[in-house]
Amino acid sequence: DQQVKQNSPSLSVQEGRISILNCDYTNSMFDYFLWYKKYPAEGPTFLISISSIKDKNEDGRFTVFLNKSAKHLSLHIVPSQPGDSAVYFCAYRGSTLGRLYFGRGTQLTVWP
Amino acid sequence: EAGVVQSPRYKIIEKKQPVAFWCNPISGHNTLYWYRQNLGQGPELLIRYENEEAVDDSQLPKDRFSAERLKGVDSTLKIQPAELGDSAVYLCASRLTGVADTQYFGPGTRLTVL
Repeated sequence: DQQVKQNSPSLSVQEGRISILNCDYTNSMFDYFLWYKKYPAEGPTFLISISSIKDKNEDGRFTVFLNKSAKHLSLHIVPSQPGDSAVYFCAYRGSTLGRLYFGRGTQLTVWP
Repeated sequence: EAGVVQSPRYKIIEKKQPVAFWCNPISGHNTLYWYRQNLGQGPELLIRYENEEAVDDSQLPKDRFSAERLKGVDSTLKIQPAELGDSAVYLCASRLTGVADTQYFGPGTRLTVL
């Protein structure tokens, strides 16, 4: 049973525009969320994270928003670049320290 | 700094054959993870080591899967015998315990069972 859901398997965005990737979760006890990016034939790489005590965290072009009442997480990329084309996974850190639970991922394609 | 190293990168075997994957974590990282990623899914944890101790192996199918990290550095994951449903990418990750929640992943081993 997926406790972290990424309902959009793919997203296509023009270069320079905003990319918004979404993630929904079911358990209100989740306290720490992360986004990972994955290029083909490579392992996932950490992108940005947010604690449940915050509702926003920003790092350069990447901003993660957390809406606890809606149990919704989103990643904004502004402006989008072709090099951002990858699969993006949202994940939460479970109660067992260090274990991550991943969503199914969203393939982002940024076209020139 | 070298990242997480995994080998082989690709492996094709017939069902019922054994297979082993090797992982060398980032130097100094005492926490090591093995994940399995099925096609179209996110990675799922198989086992977590703190140094040489397996502290979370609840998701490891112990009838056919085994893992070891004898000296608390590199690790081996074995499947014996392999089944068709074991076809997946096997990812190794490491983390410096207590410093951050960021896990650093290797490139993975893509296993195909025929």
